[in-house]
Amino acid sequence: QKEVEQNSGPLSVPEGAIASLNCTYSDRVSQSFFWYRQYSGKSPELIMSIYSNGDKEDGRFTAQLNKASQYVSLLIRDSQPSDSATYLCAVNTPQAGTALIFGKGTTLSVSS
Amino acid sequence: GAVVSQHPSWVICKSGTSVKIECRSLDFQATTMFWYRQFPKQSLMLMATSNEGSKATYEQGVEKDKFLINHASLTLSTLTVTSAHPEDSSFYICSARGARRRRETQYFGPGTRLLVL
Repeated sequence: QKEVEQNSGPLSVPEGAIASLNCTYSDRVSQSFFWYRQYSGKSPELIMSIYSNGDKEDGRFTAQLNKASQYVSLLIRDSQPSDSATYLCAVNTPQAGTALIFGKGTTLSVSS
Repeated sequence: GAVVSQHPSWVICKSGTSVKIECRSLDFQATTMFWYRQFPKQSLMLMATSNEGSKATYEQGVEKDKFLINHASLTLSTLTVTSAHPEDSSFYICSARGARRRRETQYFGPGTRLLVL
């Protein structure tokens, strides 16, 4: 069973703080990792993709990947109320072909 | 702007009828399209994967005769829910994967809400 695990939350942070979202995956040979943001009633939108160990920064977002620990995270700096959403971690493994396996998502709430 | 469109956005139908949902990639050729279903407060569940010109691959537990998928071109895939029942009411989302601006990318459509009465 190939799984992607996330804490469902809710994760509550005050405006301006750093939000840290975590994800673990079970398939050690996973190759591609993605973070999607989903607002209530909307479809997911891609925020970040990461393929190699280390950090990848894009604006206020930083994705971190540690393949040895099978762990991927997303940091959101200077959190805004508009960041309040569900964040989905997705992983691609060779056995899944080109499909993505999604975690159940972490709900983030940023209070003003 | 949107790179993947879905039509319709909302559909309400009577039990026993069939519903067709279209998914289009707007500015790239989608070699692979995925269909997901999402029930309230649950994660996306992959239903099937389709490659242009070939039969779709369905996930375990998804009835291929009930959820008909056609991927006749590199920009269009359709999902037909046949003989829909109230338990089929859900949020159906397609996702298209292909080379866009020279990068392999996967984008989601805006989703279709289906309510079966």
